[in-house]
Amino acid sequence: ETGVTQSPTHLIKTRGQQVTLRCSSQSGHNTVSWYQQALGQGPQFIFQYYREEENGRGNFPPRFSGLQFPNYSSELNVNALELDDSALYLCASSPPFGVSYNEQFFGPGTRLTVL
Amino acid sequence: AQSVTQLDSQVPVFEEAPVELRCNYSSSVSVYLFWYVQYPNQGLQLLLKYLSGSTLVKGINGFEAEFNKSQTSFHLRKPSVHISDTAEYFCAVSEKGTGNQFYFGTGTSLTVIP
Repeated sequence: ETGVTQSPTHLIKTRGQQVTLRCSSQSGHNTVSWYQQALGQGPQFIFQYYREEENGRGNFPPRFSGLQFPNYSSELNVNALELDDSALYLCASSPPFGVSYNEQFFGPGTRLTVL
Repeated sequence: AQSVTQLDSQVPVFEEAPVELRCNYSSSVSVYLFWYVQYPNQGLQLLLKYLSGSTLVKGINGFEAEFNKSQTSFHLRKPSVHISDTAEYFCAVSEKGTGNQFYFGTGTSLTVIP
């Protein structure tokens, strides 16, 4: 069983640019959540997608947007990058039922550096 | 609104000694509780979770945690640590019925000293 994968692993951008991060959920998982983890901090919830619809959003501005595709993979888009957007971006997927229903399975993350 | 407090940002402990990492949460509704471990440059790995039932939860790598509803705590313990336990540990909470939106603490860095 393939776990959650994310691409790219690392990314360097400059202020004002736009970035797209990608996530493939674990097989059979239909919910994807995105988190931002700044250096030395815990992950902060950005938003969640369930069946291609946004299903909850944390305290992030609208320039953070996302998509979920029919195969349940997902993208995180960030426009007008700021220096404070530099962080590890984590994607997590959850199954629709079963013993792991309330669990989130995390990918390795994408390290974004904004210069 | 939920919040998670990890009271110790850094915990050094000698190899084979016991350790406790503290976690307190605040929520007005019933919650699920989790502990995750993060090794350098990696994602999060689940150690254990409390959903319901017995308040003492056993996880992987010899870790366990106890849910205390009256004190709104979920402290993580291990009776004897190994060098390989050196990592960052995160406590997380999600509200029942809100769709798996997790709220994390700021983490505790556990360093095992040989």
